[in-house]
Amino acid sequence: EAQVTQNPRYLITVTGKKLTVTCSQNMNHEYMSWYRQDPGLGLRQIYYSMNVEVTDKGDVPEGYKVSRKEKRNFPLILESPSPNQTSLYFCASSYQTGHGNTEAFFGQGTRLTVV
Amino acid sequence: EDQVTQSPEALRLQEGESSSLNCSYTVSGLRGLFWYRQDPGKGPEFLFTLYSAGEEKEKERLKATLTKKESFLHITAPKPEDSATYLCAVQAAGGFKTIFGAGTRLFVKA
Repeated sequence: EAQVTQNPRYLITVTGKKLTVTCSQNMNHEYMSWYRQDPGLGLRQIYYSMNVEVTDKGDVPEGYKVSRKEKRNFPLILESPSPNQTSLYFCASSYQTGHGNTEAFFGQGTRLTVV
Repeated sequence: EDQVTQSPEALRLQEGESSSLNCSYTVSGLRGLFWYRQDPGKGPEFLFTLYSAGEEKEKERLKATLTKKESFLHITAPKPEDSATYLCAVQAAGGFKTIFGAGTRLFVKA
């Protein structure tokens, strides 16, 4: 079954304690990205990757890091989480064509609370 | 600055009452426009991709259209199971960022 898998689904952590949210896809997609979703603001892109070792900033990259060492995995790293990073996070993947990207497949989401 | 604005924020319909959702965009060249549906607590689910003005796509009770400045998602004779948040997203030419609108929450009452 084609899917994007995020872990964990729920996480409560304390300010300053480094954490990683994993994302894996089994569709051999080139393009992967991370979003955060906050009430009234919709989905905002944090980082995206067009292929292995190629990453770029989205609209809200501050306080986040990513890496793309393998095509299927795209972890999101919060080196020193702060309460304003409390949010619902989604990972997504899609094919990349000459037109741009095809439709994105999204993971189930990770609800992060930083206290 | 690239921007996507969706209206209305929320829409309440009676079952069978057709309506349209709007997505206005300002980008320096459009690479693609996407519509997604999101149910509470779940990730967005793909509906349509539109690439050029004049393009239309249909799926069951939904039809998406595209002009040079906006896209419409027409819902014909909606049913309660169509209740969800509908999201519009664009990719601008010259880059690979994806920009989402804030969404329209649709409620369909039986």
